Amino acid sequence: AQSVTQLGSHVSVSEGALVLLRCNYSSSVPPYLFWYVQYPNQGLQLLLKYTSAATLVKGINGFEAEFKKSETSFHLTKPSAHMSDAAEYFCAVSDQGYSNTGKLIFGQGTTLQVKP
Amino acid sequence: EPEVTQTPSHQVTQMGQEVILRCVPISNHLYFYWYRQILGQKVEFLVSFYNNEISEKSEIFDDQFSVERPDGSNFTLKIRSTKLEDSAMYFCASSELTSADTQYFGPGTRLTVL
Repeated sequence: AQSVTQLGSHVSVSEGALVLLRCNYSSSVPPYLFWYVQYPNQGLQLLLKYTSAATLVKGINGFEAEFKKSETSFHLTKPSAHMSDAAEYFCAVSDQGYSNTGKLIFGQGTTLQVKP
Repeated sequence: EPEVTQTPSHQVTQMGQEVILRCVPISNHLYFYWYRQILGQKVEFLVSFYNNEISEKSEIFDDQFSVERPDGSNFTLKIRSTKLEDSAMYFCASSELTSADTQYFGPGTRLTVL
């Protein structure tokens, strides 16, 4: 069975500071990993995904994440936070198995607050 | 840019009533999904749908739930007899060619069961 743990339900940073949102996964098969962002009253938007190519994945809006198999982690980072980054962020996993139906398993979410 | 749309944005119903949540996936997509998020909890997978049949469903997706693609554009989730615990935000998603492709999510329907 697969699972995702996001450490920290709320993260607060100052504008211009480094953003680090933590995600650890558990999977018995090679995983696909995703970060989604949700702005108020909107659906989930894909930031980036790992599909077993490069371990450092670059996404939209300056975000990137690094897949570390030894640590079972896929932390999301951004060098300099912007006020518009304030949102809820979800890490998700699915499997690369032959029987993959696309089911995404989500973490609890992390609310990012950006202070001026 | 193509997007997934959902209607209504908010549905209020009485316990025991049937509700149908509607989704219009992106037009050339082949895989369709429903997820839900109970307030304060994580987003949970309900069901995936491909080639006019369910490809996987979760334990949540019991006999009270059904999905249908009645025409070439709509994808619906029906809850036959709603319970208080069905109150949640329901998200529809679609992906293009394979189940590994990016899933594009709609804005959600907030279902409130009284």
